[in-house]
Amino acid sequence: DGGITQSPKYLFRKEGQNVTLSCEQNLNHDAMYWYRQDPGQGLRLIYYSQIVNDFQKGDIAEGYSVSREKKESFPLTVTSAQKNPTAFYLCASKTGRHNEQFFGPGTRLTVL
Amino acid sequence: AQKVTQAQTEISVVEKEDVTLDCVYETRDTTYYLFWYKQPPSGELVFLIRRNSFDEQNEISGRYSWNFQKSTSSFNFTITASQVVDSAVYFCALISGGATNKLIFGTGTLLAVQP
Repeated sequence: DGGITQSPKYLFRKEGQNVTLSCEQNLNHDAMYWYRQDPGQGLRLIYYSQIVNDFQKGDIAEGYSVSREKKESFPLTVTSAQKNPTAFYLCASKTGRHNEQFFGPGTRLTVL
Repeated sequence: AQKVTQAQTEISVVEKEDVTLDCVYETRDTTYYLFWYKQPPSGELVFLIRRNSFDEQNEISGRYSWNFQKSTSSFNFTITASQVVDSAVYFCALISGGATNKLIFGTGTLLAVQP
């Protein structure tokens, strides 16, 4: 089945620790995106990548880092510099042909 | 500046009622795309529809219909004969100009359909 997978579904982190969220897609999509969702708010863009080995900051990139070494994978690292990391994180991808983005199931990160 | 406004925070209806979710957008670009996504309790966003700025034709898909009006910068979503399975948060979103294809989301409308 083609789709986007994110792991883990739930993640708990202690303050001061870095943590990496996984996002994999087998849709052969060129572009991939990371969004953050907080309660009662829409999604906000953290980072995006339109091609392998290239990525750009979104609106709220501070405290986050990404890599895009393979077309299928776009992991997000939440660093200790992110002051309020507890949120729901969604990964998305899109083809070059159409504009709609398709989303993974999300990872809920809680900082203890 | 680009912006999407969903003024309705929560809507509650009884099953079989029709319901309209409002979406108002702002952009200075002449080329843009509008979207609706559904987010059920599981959390995953489900793509429902894409509309480009040059196509004002309304669309119907089963019980779902969309009304795009450039004159009022609105892209409203109507569910006819609502069902409990329609309960979710619905997001309206905009891609406008540029090469990033950055989705700008509204804050969402929580629809609760009571049996």
